[in-house]
Amino acid sequence: KAGVTQTPRYLIKTRGQQVTLSCSPISGHRSVSWYQQTPGQGLQFLFEYFSETQRNKGNFPGRFSGRQFSNSRSEMNVSTLELGDSALYLCASSLGQGPSETQYFGPGTRLLVL
Amino acid sequence: AQSVTQLGSHVSVSEGALVLLRCNYSSSVPPYLFWYVQYPNQGLQLLLKYTSAATLVKGINGFEAEFKKSETSFHLTKPSAHMSDAAEYFCAVSLYNQGGKLIFGQGTELSVKP
Repeated sequence: KAGVTQTPRYLIKTRGQQVTLSCSPISGHRSVSWYQQTPGQGLQFLFEYFSETQRNKGNFPGRFSGRQFSNSRSEMNVSTLELGDSALYLCASSLGQGPSETQYFGPGTRLLVL
Repeated sequence: AQSVTQLGSHVSVSEGALVLLRCNYSSSVPPYLFWYVQYPNQGLQLLLKYTSAATLVKGINGFEAEFKKSETSFHLTKPSAHMSDAAEYFCAVSLYNQGGKLIFGQGTELSVKP
């Protein structure tokens, strides 16, 4: 079974632009979560989607948004990019929604904001 | 607020030596606990998880962890380190009322010397 895939793998943007990242979960998985990883802040939870509904949201500004489609694929969008948005963005999928579910991570999208 | 503390941002061991990576959590309710490993330029891979079934949890690649409620700890161990164990290790917690949201520790980079 194919793992979680994320596209693109690398991205360079300039301040003020917007960006959309894509995540395809493992087949059959209905929950998708997003995390931001930076050297300074570590791994931080962005949001979680299950059955096309946002179920949980981290402490990030409204510039960060996401959505999930009926096939469970998910996208996250960052508008008005700032230098501090440079990070590795990780997507994770799980079969169901719940605290004991194993989350399977993709390889990430590395975003550099200049 | 819930938190996870990993003692030691960098641990170095010799090949064949015991690996001990420390993790303490802060939570007012029993958590679910996870250890993930991240190799360079890759996503996170689950090593093991505690979901209240047994306090000693065995994972992949010879790793295991013991949940000690009285010490609020979930330390990761491996009897004999291999060169291939060199990576960054993350302890994470999830709570019953927060869906699949993972709260991560800051990570411990493990180096293995020949």
